[in-house]
Amino acid sequence: AQTVTQSQPEMSVQEAETVTLSCTYDTSENNYYLFWYKQPPSRQMILVIRQEAYKQQNATENRFSVNFQKAAKSFSLKISDSQLGDTAMYFCAFMKRLQGAQKLVFGQGTRLTINP
Amino acid sequence: DAGITQSPRHKVTETGTPVTLRCHQTENHRYMYWYRQDPGHGLRLIHYSYGVKDTDKGEVSDGYSVSRSKTEDFLLTLESATSSQTSVYFCAISEWGRSPLHFGNGTRLTVT
Repeated sequence: AQTVTQSQPEMSVQEAETVTLSCTYDTSENNYYLFWYKQPPSRQMILVIRQEAYKQQNATENRFSVNFQKAAKSFSLKISDSQLGDTAMYFCAFMKRLQGAQKLVFGQGTRLTINP
Repeated sequence: DAGITQSPRHKVTETGTPVTLRCHQTENHRYMYWYRQDPGHGLRLIHYSYGVKDTDKGEVSDGYSVSRSKTEDFLLTLESATSSQTSVYFCAISEWGRSPLHFGNGTRLTVT
C-alpha cells in the first residue's frame, strides 16, 4: 500500500529565511507523480508544485523547489526567501492508480509559520 | 481558480439525519472526488467518479454514498449522520488521469 509520511508536524522560521519540509513515501510503482499542496487559513487547497518520477530534474516554481530522491523515496519542498503569506499547512501527496482513475494519497501535513 | 463550487459552505446537523453535500464544476472535467480532512490524517478519499454514473469507493466510504447524474454535479450523501462524520469535506476535479487535482473551498460539517 502506498503511504506518505511527513515527519514534521510543525515548523517555524523567520521571514526571508529558507525552509525545507520533508516527505517520504512508499510505493512499488515506477512511474508516478508527486505533489505539494498548500492550505492557508482560508482552507483552500492550492497546488504548489508537481514532480513526475520519470524526470530526473527537480521541479521548481519561483521560490518553491523540490529535492526528489527516487531511490530514497524522498520528496522534500524548499521554500526560499520565505514570506508571511507562506504561512499555511503543507501537504505532500502521491498519485496512486485506481480502477478507472487516479487518486491522491496525502501525508498528515506540516504546519508552517513564517514569523515577521 | 478552477470552477468548483461546494454547497453548503457550513452545515450543522443532528445525529441520525441524512445530509447531502453538493459539488458543482464548470470545467467539464471527467474525474471528480470527495475527500474528508481531519486533524492528523491529512485528506482521505471517500468516493470518486470517472464519468457520469461511474463511481467507486475510496478508503473511508462507510456511511457515505454518491451520485453523479451529470458531468458537472457530484453529490455526497450521509445516509444517517454520526458524530464521527464531523469533518471538513472537499470536492476535487481533474481533467485526465494524471492531471493535478483542483479542489473546491470545502464544506465544514458538524454533527451534534
